[in-house]
Amino acid sequence: LAKTTQPISMDSYEGQEVNITCSHNNIATNDYITWYQQFPSQGPRFIIQGYKTKVTNEVASLFIPADRKSSTLSLPRVSLSDTAVYYCLVGDNSDRGSTLGRLYFGRGTQLTVWP
Amino acid sequence: DTEVTQTPKHLVMGMTNKKSLKCEQHMGHRAMYWYKQKAKKPPELMFVYSYEKLSINESVPSRFSPECPNSSLLNLHLHALQPEDSALYLCASSQDSGGYETQYFGPGTRLLVL
Repeated sequence: LAKTTQPISMDSYEGQEVNITCSHNNIATNDYITWYQQFPSQGPRFIIQGYKTKVTNEVASLFIPADRKSSTLSLPRVSLSDTAVYYCLVGDNSDRGSTLGRLYFGRGTQLTVWP
Repeated sequence: DTEVTQTPKHLVMGMTNKKSLKCEQHMGHRAMYWYKQKAKKPPELMFVYSYEKLSINESVPSRFSPECPNSSLLNLHLHALQPEDSALYLCASSQDSGGYETQYFGPGTRLLVL
């Protein structure tokens, strides 16, 4: 399983764009990159997923360079309610159809948004 | 309906008690998961059920016993737990068990073992 490395914490102010970078040097060909958000005492929530280049949805953008050894989650114009832990995960589908499926949660990045 | 429900929300139990955590989803997902999360730590995978069969047991002690009665329900039976087992227990489900499948998490059960 490819492991991930993220900054432990980041601070921002309301209205700013936040970019959180994740390193995954051992990413495999079949691996996808997924980001989850978690508020205290709640389960993680899916934000975005990508394989290469750029993916955008109504919440965030995900930038993945050609070598795929890192990825950047971009949150536009953050608000106080975006204060949460953000996890970058790498998962493969090599065992799809069999009985295996794992997601490895790294330490995550605590994002704190200040007024 | 994209919701995973878990009961109870909170549970306090002694080391000699037997209790069960319950998880339910009605999204037609065929993979369900149990995670354990200690304070300020990431979730740690405990068990994976795929098509109602246990496919992964991440070396979890036998005092934790999972059960999947049907494709919508997942239980975690607890017996003779230790205080260090106190944690947030999260249930999740996904369409399939591939590593890139989006997992939908429940709100968790906060367990305290005295």
